[in-house]
Amino acid sequence: QITLKESGPTLVKPTQTLTLTCTFSGFSLSTAGVGVGWIRQPPGKALEWLAIIYWNDDRRYSPSLKSRLTITKDTSKNHVVLKTTNMDPVDTATYFCAHSIVSSSSWYFDYWGQGVLVTVSS
Amino acid sequence: SYVLTQPPSVSVAPGQTARITCGGSNIGSKGVHWYQQKPGQAPVPVVYDNSDRPSGIPERFSGSKSGNTATLTISRVEAGDEADYYCQVWDSSSDHHYVVFGGGTKLTVL
Repeated sequence: QITLKESGPTLVKPTQTLTLTCTFSGFSLSTAGVGVGWIRQPPGKALEWLAIIYWNDDRRYSPSLKSRLTITKDTSKNHVVLKTTNMDPVDTATYFCAHSIVSSSSWYFDYWGQGVLVTVSS
Repeated sequence: SYVLTQPPSVSVAPGQTARITCGGSNIGSKGVHWYQQKPGQAPVPVVYDNSDRPSGIPERFSGSKSGNTATLTISRVEAGDEADYYCQVWDSSSDHHYVVFGGGTKLTVL
């Protein structure tokens, strides 16, 4: 059974760096064809993809946020970490991590964490 | 960057058929995935790779594509289908690789 859970601060100040951890079970991020991604959702708004890291350590980022994001993995601990620098109130959102697999050469997210609401405020 | 366009809202009476569209350039060459999100919950995939259903998703949910539009069809709509629905593609070329979500469609069951 695949499960994922996000953890991290629920309140950060503007200009600070947000560090979120996705702890997962039921799969290994060293298995070919597996990835873990981060997606966020501001209150009342749409899903926005942020980043994804693959089993082979390939990393991809949203072009609009690339300069502020860093995604890493610790396969031995079953963790994926997302760092976002220079946080702003517009970054207030629920942040989800999700397990990703490829189907017919297109990646999608088949299991999601419950999400963590992060508020950016002074 | 690649854009997926969805109608903000769709309304349908119980028992009728709901169709939610997702438009994008050259979407015919891409695998389209659909998610259902109910208030306060994480998204759940209901269709992947254009028309396949994950285990546990009712046959009432189906996906298709025609031209530059993908469509999620929900037959015999039930009150429990009321939710936000998002389409997603993986936009990949030699110089980039992005995950793209549509803006979401709120399905209201009248």
